[in-house]
Amino acid sequence: EVVLTQSPGTLSLSPGERATLSCRASGTVYSNHLAWYQLKPGQAPRLLISGASWRATGIPDRFSGSGSGTDFTLTIRRLEPEDFAVYYCQRYDISPRTFGQGTKVEVK
Amino acid sequence: EVQLVESGGGLVQPGGSLRLSCAASGFTFSSHSMNWVRQAPGKGLEWVSYISGDTTTMNYADSVKGRFTISRDSARNSLYLQMNSLRDEDTAVYYCARGEATNGWLIDYWGQGTLVTVSP
Repeated sequence: EVVLTQSPGTLSLSPGERATLSCRASGTVYSNHLAWYQLKPGQAPRLLISGASWRATGIPDRFSGSGSGTDFTLTIRRLEPEDFAVYYCQRYDISPRTFGQGTKVEVK
Repeated sequence: EVQLVESGGGLVQPGGSLRLSCAASGFTFSSHSMNWVRQAPGKGLEWVSYISGDTTTMNYADSVKGRFTISRDSARNSLYLQMNSLRDEDTAVYYCARGEATNGWLIDYWGQGTLVTVSP
């Protein structure tokens, strides 16, 4: 079974701080087909990053993605109030298109 | 502007059936694959099903295979999910999600979801 493991489960930070989220795959993610999404209660999820490091249209440059193979990172350079949310990684190179279990970024 | 609006959720008894719909607008519907993704209460996201733009390919998560059927109607710009033999563990918010134009397995837009509750 293909598994994506996100860490930490919860990140408690203050506005202005840097957030570093990890996503580790149990097997190689081919062609870096790894995406990051942001979820807020009552809202449609939003694509942030595709191809491990490409920002989606309209995503601020404080969001960046990196990594390859099995280890990937989402970095939020300086947290804004609207960035406190849950973040999911997903691989889209194979089926099923597995999601990680999510990282909640909460206000400290 | 891309818009995806789900409907059809509600309360259903175990063993029952429900049909979800998703109305799409703001893009050429037939040019994009589509997906259903769900989130159970207090849980993470789970990909459920995929259908290609030309309807030749459908995929399902093992958890719903044989019980759920995905379909689409390009004349109505609509996506559907027929859910049969529903179980308690199917309780979730169900999201309609669009596949990106050049890589249909990448989800680039989502709806706001519709809640399905399976309970006696």
